[in-house]
Amino acid sequence: GAGVSQSPSNKVTEKGKDVELRCDPISGHTALYWYRQSLGQGLEFLIYFQGNSAPDKSGLPSDRFSAERTGGSVSTLTIQRTQQEDSAVYLCASSKRGGNGEQFFGPGTRLTVL
Amino acid sequence: KQEVTQIPAALSVPEGENLVLNCSFTDSAIYNLQWFRQDPGKGLTSLLLIQSSQREQTSGRLNASLDKSSGRSTLYIAASQPGDSATYLCAVASYNTDKLIFGTGTRLQVFP
Repeated sequence: GAGVSQSPSNKVTEKGKDVELRCDPISGHTALYWYRQSLGQGLEFLIYFQGNSAPDKSGLPSDRFSAERTGGSVSTLTIQRTQQEDSAVYLCASSKRGGNGEQFFGPGTRLTVL
Repeated sequence: KQEVTQIPAALSVPEGENLVLNCSFTDSAIYNLQWFRQDPGKGLTSLLLIQSSQREQTSGRLNASLDKSSGRSTLYIAASQPGDSATYLCAVASYNTDKLIFGTGTRLQVFP
C-alpha cells in the first residue's frame, strides 16, 4: 500500500517568506508526527497529532511555526517569516494509533532559506 | 530528560563482516525502541521495533536486542553487504510522551 507522502520534495525560499509543507499519512493512521532534521541538531520532534487534535506541540521552535490537520488525514506545517536557521529537512511520520505505535516516515521536504 | 547516544558515529567494514551497532539511553522507562535506516537524501525506513517487554527482534540478517535495565540496545547485522551502507538511527519512545527521541546515528559503509 501507499506510504507516507510529503510535498514538495524540495523548497527554496527567500528569507521572510511564508512556506507550507504538506504531509499525507498512511490511510487509516490516526497519529501523525512532524520532525525536523538539520545539520548539527539531528532529528528533533516538532508536533504530534491524534486525529485533528495536537496534544503535544512542545517541539515547535517558535510562534512562527504552526501546523494543522484536517479530516484526520492531511497535515500542513506552516512556517511564517522564514529565517535561514529554518533550513532543514522536515519529516512527517504516521502510526496506526498514538501511544507510541510504530512510526512510518515519509521522504521529507528539504527546505532551503536563502 | 531522555538522551540517546549511538556508538560508533561511523564505521567502515569489508563486505561479509558481521557487525554491531550500539544505542544507549538514559531513562529506562521506555515504551519501545525503533531502529531505522536512512539513505542519503532520503527519509527513514523502519527496520525493527522492540517493545519494552521484549528482549530481541529479528528480520532477515538483522537482529536487535534490548536491555531496558541497562539502557542499551544493539543492532546486529550479519554478513554485511555494500547495499547495507547507510546511516542507522535508533529512537526511543518514552511512556510519558508520544514522540520519538533519536540518537545521532551511525554512518555505515560496507566496501566490496
